[in-house]
Amino acid sequence: EAEVAQSPRYKITEKSQAVAFWCDPISGHATLYWYRQILGQGPELLVQFQDESVVDDSQLPKDRFSAERLKGVDSTLKIQPAELGDSAMYLCASSLGTGESDTQYFGPGTRLTVL
Amino acid sequence: GQNIDQPTEMTATEGAIVQINCTYQTSGFNGLFWYQQHAGEAPTFLSYNVLDGLEEKGRFSSFLSRSKGYSYLLLKELQMKDSASYLCAVKDSNYQLIWGAGTKLIIKP
Repeated sequence: EAEVAQSPRYKITEKSQAVAFWCDPISGHATLYWYRQILGQGPELLVQFQDESVVDDSQLPKDRFSAERLKGVDSTLKIQPAELGDSAMYLCASSLGTGESDTQYFGPGTRLTVL
Repeated sequence: GQNIDQPTEMTATEGAIVQINCTYQTSGFNGLFWYQQHAGEAPTFLSYNVLDGLEEKGRFSSFLSRSKGYSYLLLKELQMKDSASYLCAVKDSNYQLIWGAGTKLIIKP
């Protein structure tokens, strides 16, 4: 069964350092999402790609976060510099498209701890 | 604003039946999704409803009433492995998923 791949699974860093997360969506999925999830809350959308184009990054803190999907396949999310409040689970999801029944499938996530 | 309400936590007994409710107020409606999320793991897709009525999938069923802005997830023959959070999410008029905070389900022997 096809799965969304993410790495690393866990990341511990000190504040002011740079961190990067990688995601490889299910083959053939045109839409890719990066979410942040804090314990006890639902996922918060950071950025959405359709192929290589950003569709929605309205909730992405652009002063420190950046995301790219250069060839419309895998994607990287970067934080520079990391702050204590960035500690969370970072989830990547993909879907065939954005239609009514298109389901988002999630990767295992990256647990980020900022010290 | 857009809002999805779910109970924060529920407790049920192994072998029993539990119903997790979700009410929503969104700008438009293009389907409702239920996901299961075990502690420390990513959400996994459970069910999708776009028309009124009940969708059954094994021990899990999901119901939707669009006129009432209401859905529930029904879990039968509860097993210890069903202990998890259950997330309700609605696709709005822009086809964006609006997420609830999730319901933590605790199963007791």
